[in-house]
Amino acid sequence: AQSVTQLDSQVPVFEEAPVELRCNYSSSVSVYLFWYVQYPNQGLQLLLKYLSGSTLVKGINGFEAEFNKSQTSFHLRKPSVHISDTAEYFCAVNTGNQFYFGTGTSLTVIP
Amino acid sequence: GAGVSQSPRYKVAKRGQDVALRCDPISGHVSLFWYQQALGQGPEFLTYFQNEAQLDKSGLPSDRFFAERPEGSVSTLKIQRTQQEDSAVYLCASSYETGGYSPLHFGNGTRLTVT
Repeated sequence: AQSVTQLDSQVPVFEEAPVELRCNYSSSVSVYLFWYVQYPNQGLQLLLKYLSGSTLVKGINGFEAEFNKSQTSFHLRKPSVHISDTAEYFCAVNTGNQFYFGTGTSLTVIP
Repeated sequence: GAGVSQSPRYKVAKRGQDVALRCDPISGHVSLFWYQQALGQGPEFLTYFQNEAQLDKSGLPSDRFFAERPEGSVSTLKIQRTQQEDSAVYLCASSYETGGYSPLHFGNGTRLTVT
């Protein structure tokens, strides 16, 4: 069975500071990995995805994530956050058919 | 359309009423998913269609929940005899291809409140 763990439910960070949102997964097979962002009262939007190849993937809005197979992690990073980055962030894994989502990390950027 | 469209945006139902939630996916997208998102939680899988075929309905919480996609495009999620525990945001998502590499495109959801 697959599962996704987002270790931090809430992450407050000051504007222009760096941030890392952690995601670990468990799977016995190869996976595809995704990060989504959800703004209030909206659906989820794709930030970035890892399918294969380079383990460092870049997404929209200056976010990037690194796939670490040995640690089964896919942490999301941004070197300098903006107020507009305040949102809920979800990590997701797919092994071929179904997507499994973490419980989310609420990022709050403090002015 | 440009994106996945869901209607209604908000729905208030009295306990025991039936509701129908509509999803209009991106044109040409083969796969369609329904998710339930409780407050402060991640999306929980309900059911999955590949064209008109419902390939997985293992996430539907009870036989009061029913989904269909008769022509392989628009889908409807129906909840019969609604209960308070059904209150949640129901998200629809579509993807261009089958297989996990094709990312999901989400609608804005329908917020269902059962009173």
